Amino acid sequence: EDQVTQSPEALRLQEGESSSLNCSYTVSGLRGLFWYRQDPGKGPEFLFTLYSAGEEKEKERLKATLTKKESFLHITAPKPEDSATYLCAVVVSGNQFYFGTGTSLTVIP
Amino acid sequence: EAGVVQSPRYKIIEKKQPVAFWCNPISGHNTLYWYRQNLGQGPELLIRYENEEAVDDSQLPKDRFSAERLKGVDSTLKIQPAELGDSAVYLCASSLGFPGAFFGQGTRLTVV
Repeated sequence: EDQVTQSPEALRLQEGESSSLNCSYTVSGLRGLFWYRQDPGKGPEFLFTLYSAGEEKEKERLKATLTKKESFLHITAPKPEDSATYLCAVVVSGNQFYFGTGTSLTVIP
Repeated sequence: EAGVVQSPRYKIIEKKQPVAFWCNPISGHNTLYWYRQNLGQGPELLIRYENEEAVDDSQLPKDRFSAERLKGVDSTLKIQPAELGDSAVYLCASSLGFPGAFFGQGTRLTVV
């Protein structure tokens, strides 16, 4: 059964304290992995797409990496405005999306 | 470029009443998704359209939920009758084939 698991469920960081969020997956026919950011009361906002193991993408303080079994979202020197829920999703053959349950990140000033 | 537009943003109805949500995808996007998101959970796919065709509706509760996508553009999701457990945020997303989908702001449904 296709499955996507994110950890931790919640993470509190001090401003400037770097950390990583994990997304592990067990799917067949992976076509890509996506990271989204979701602010309260809003729809998910697209961040990154990763297609193959070893691939990395960066955007400001965020860096996403992908292996054959998991993806990491590294946050370097986070700021309070990075507080949000971060969702990962995998796309498998047939363009089916499977989302994880998300990691709620709080960055404390 | 306009994003995915959903309406209404909020809806409060009594149980057993009908409700409908509307979605206008990004222009030119042939794939349209309806998701349901419960509090603290990731979005769960209800139905996916490729143009006018519903290609994946395996998670749509067909006894009370229905959807349509007229002319392969706008889409409507309907619930009739609504139950208390249907309270959630209903998200519409669109994409041009592959890769990632772009989401609308969602409709927050409260059934009382």
